[in-house]
Amino acid sequence: EAQVTQNPRYLITVTGKKLTVTCSQNMNHEYMSWYRQDPGLGLRQIYYSMNVEVTDKGDVPEGYKVSRKEKRNFPLILESPSPNQTSLYFCASSFRGAEAFFGQGTRLTVV
Amino acid sequence: EDQVTQSPEALRLQEGESSSLNCSYTVSGLRGLFWYRQDPGKGPEFLFTLYSAGEEKEKERLKATLTKKESFLHITAPKPEDSATYLCAVQSHNFNKFYFGSGTKLNVKP
Repeated sequence: EAQVTQNPRYLITVTGKKLTVTCSQNMNHEYMSWYRQDPGLGLRQIYYSMNVEVTDKGDVPEGYKVSRKEKRNFPLILESPSPNQTSLYFCASSFRGAEAFFGQGTRLTVV
Repeated sequence: EDQVTQSPEALRLQEGESSSLNCSYTVSGLRGLFWYRQDPGKGPEFLFTLYSAGEEKEKERLKATLTKKESFLHITAPKPEDSATYLCAVQSHNFNKFYFGSGTKLNVKP
């Protein structure tokens, strides 16, 4: 079954404690992306990757890092989370940036 | 500045009452316009891609159209199971970035 898998689904953490949200896809897609979704603001792109070792900033990259060492994985790293990063996060993958498959979402709370 | 605006924010319809959702966009070179459906607590689910003005796509009770400045998602004779948030997104040709609107929350009453 074609899918994008994110882990964890829910996470509560404290300010400043480094965390990683994993994302994996099984469709051999080149393009992967991370979004955050906040009420009234919609989905905003954080980072995207056109292929292995190729990443670029989206609209709201501050406070986030990504890496793309393998085609299937695209982890999102928060080196020093802050309360304003409390949000619902989605990972997505697609073939050459076309219609995307989204993960189930990760609800992050930073206290 | 690239941006996407969706209207209305919320729409309540009676079952069978047809209507349209609007997506207005400004983008520096449109590579594609996408419609997604999002159910509560889930990730967006792909519906349509439109690439050029005049293009139309249909799926069951949904029909998407595209002009140079906006797209419409027409819902014909909606059913309660069509209730969801509908998201519009554009892909920038220059930078491969995606810009999403804030969505239209549709509620179809039986």
